[in-house]
Amino acid sequence: AQSVTQPDIHITVSEGASLELRCNYSYGATPYLFWYVQSPGQGLQLLLKYFSGDTLVQGIKGFEAEFKRSQSSFNLRKPSVHWSDAAEYFCAVRNPGGYNKLIFGAGTRLAVHP
Amino acid sequence: DAGVTQSPTHLIKTRGQHVTLRCSPISGHKSVSWYQQVLGQGPQFIFQYYEKEERGRGNFPDRFSARQFPNYSSELNVNALLLGDSALYLCASSLIETGDDSPLHFGNGTRLTVT
Repeated sequence: AQSVTQPDIHITVSEGASLELRCNYSYGATPYLFWYVQSPGQGLQLLLKYFSGDTLVQGIKGFEAEFKRSQSSFNLRKPSVHWSDAAEYFCAVRNPGGYNKLIFGAGTRLAVHP
Repeated sequence: DAGVTQSPTHLIKTRGQHVTLRCSPISGHKSVSWYQQVLGQGPQFIFQYYEKEERGRGNFPDRFSARQFPNYSSELNVNALLLGDSALYLCASSLIETGDDSPLHFGNGTRLTVT
C-alpha cells in the first residue's frame, strides 16, 4: 500500500540553526513528491514539489528538498531557521499518472526557540 | 486574487445530524478536492470533482457525499454524524484534473466538532 512516513512528530530547533525534516515513502514507482506547511488555523501551503530531473529542488521561504531514490526519501532542509518557520510540515506523494489525489504523512510539528 | 474560500469556518453539530460544508475554488479552477484532517494526523483524501463529475473517492463511508456546481463551487455533505467525524475539512482546487502544472491550492478549512 502507498504510504508516507514522517518519523519525527515534534522537532525543536533554535533560531538560526539548520533544519532537516525526514520523509520516507512506500510506492510502487517513483511518485510525485511534495512538502506542504500548515500554520495554526490555516490551510496548507505548498513549499516545493518534485516530479523528475534534478533531485535537489528549491522551494519558497528558503526551503529545499532532496529526492533519494535508493532510500525512498524526500527530506526537507533549511540552512537557517527563522521564528516564523514554526508550523506543521507535511510530506505528500501523488501518482504521476493518476488524478490529483495526495497521500500525506502524519506531519512534523516544528518549534523554534529564540 | 481570492484564494480558495470555505464556509463556515467553524461548526458544532450533534451526533446523528447532517452537515453541509461549502467551498469556492480559485477563479478559473475547474477541479475541487476534499480532505479530512483529524487532529494530530495528515489530511486524508475524500473526493475529487472535475467538471461536475466525481473523479476519485477515498476510503470513506457512503455517509459522505459531495457535488460540484456549474460555477465549479462544491459542497461536502455528511449524514448521520459520528463523534469520529470531528475534524478539519479542507477543500483544495486546481486548474485542471491532473498534470504537472496543476498543484493543489488549499483553503483554510472548516472545523467541525461533533458532540
